[in-house]
Amino acid sequence: VIWMTQSPSLLSASTGDRVTISCRMSQGISSYLAWYQQKPGKAPELLIYAASTLQSGVPSRFSGSGSGTDFTLTISCLQSEDFATYYCQQYYSFPPAFGQGTKVEIK
Amino acid sequence: EVQLVESGGGLVQPGGSLRLSCAASGFTFSSYAMSWVRQAPGKGLEWVSAISGSGGSTYYADSVKGRFTISRDNSKNTLYLQMNSLRAEDTAVYYCAKDPYYGSGSYSYYFDYWGQGTLVTVSS
Repeated sequence: VIWMTQSPSLLSASTGDRVTISCRMSQGISSYLAWYQQKPGKAPELLIYAASTLQSGVPSRFSGSGSGTDFTLTISCLQSEDFATYYCQQYYSFPPAFGQGTKVEIK
Repeated sequence: EVQLVESGGGLVQPGGSLRLSCAASGFTFSSYAMSWVRQAPGKGLEWVSAISGSGGSTYYADSVKGRFTISRDNSKNTLYLQMNSLRAEDTAVYYCAKDPYYGSGSYSYYFDYWGQGTLVTVSS
């Protein structure tokens, strides 16, 4: 079983800020990492897969980086619609698993 | 346009059963693996089960193995989750989710499309 640590669990930020969310693995997963955005009462939406590949239709202010054990989701210029909860997910080994989530709230 | 629409959730007593359905449209259903992912109230996401495009291979999380059964009817473009011996800790919104890899035997275990979810509440 791969242990995942996503941080921070809560992030307070303002519109226009650059924010970063971290996801750390207990063992290397190459680039088999995805990031999702979830808004209250809605299903998650895929933002990034293969650690750094932007899903079609996702704004370019979202980016992902990292490989092995340490990964980062960056939002370069936070917009009002970006206030949500973000999850990382490893799909390198079975079972697939999600991080604990990071809620991005308005400061 | 890909659409996934879940149904079948509701209130059930501990030890009871429920069958969830997920109607798919907008893609060649039989060519993609599908999964169920759940989210307990106020909690994070938990992968539950997956099935290959052909339906010939199935996989389960340890937390539901032996109690839940995933299946699909490719002629009806529908995914199912039969849930037996339900427990309070199974209370969650259940999402069906599509694997992005094309091919009846292909998996990636990440998910490019999700349904809106259906709430299952296990309580007496």
